[in-house]
Amino acid sequence: DVVMTQSPLSLPVTPGEPAAISCKSNQSLLHSNGYNYLDWYVQKPGKSPQLLIYLNSNRASGVPDRFSVSGSGTHFTLKISRVEAEDVGVYYCMQALQTPPTFGGGTKVEIK
Amino acid sequence: QAQLVQSGAEVKKPGASVKVSCKASGYTFTNYGISWVRQAPGQGLEWLGWNGPHNGNRDYAQKFQGRVTMTTDTSTSTAYMELRSLRSDDTAVYYCAGRVLYGMDVWGQGTTVTVSS
Repeated sequence: DVVMTQSPLSLPVTPGEPAAISCKSNQSLLHSNGYNYLDWYVQKPGKSPQLLIYLNSNRASGVPDRFSVSGSGTHFTLKISRVEAEDVGVYYCMQALQTPPTFGGGTKVEIK
Repeated sequence: QAQLVQSGAEVKKPGASVKVSCKASGYTFTNYGISWVRQAPGQGLEWLGWNGPHNGNRDYAQKFQGRVTMTTDTSTSTAYMELRSLRSDDTAVYYCAGRVLYGMDVWGQGTTVTVSS
């Protein structure tokens, strides 16, 4: 199975400041079609996970443009340009290139 | 509005089986099937498998092969996940997740399964 590693485990942030979460895979997620098969999910407190970003850089419906992803192959970074209080939660990256899909361990974003 | 509604919490003894349901509404359920993901207490997310919309295709994580069965009743837009030979480490919240546009973009509210003697 593809191993996904996220860092940091916890990310205290000040509202209005940027934040970044790293996600690494032990195999390239770049498909021959040019897409990186990497998705991001966020689980807000007490809620089910929800899709945030798909195919590396596409924001899901309703996701604000302060969320972006950079990287390709085995190393990716989720960036929040200006953190807002509603962004608190646990962020997971997930590779969708191979079965089974595998998730990173999660990064908890909290407000300072 | 796409929605998945799951069955209620379950408490089971070790060795028993549990069957969780997931009813879809507001989107074409039969397009892409349903995935199942679980989350043990305080832990991350683990994919159990996927069942296609017409029961013809399914894919289970190797870890659960032989213990899990996923089915779909298209007449009621309901997916089911049965897990057998339950152990204490199967205690988790089980989620169903579907696809409207891409990936797992609609999730159920979760079903808590507690395995305890």
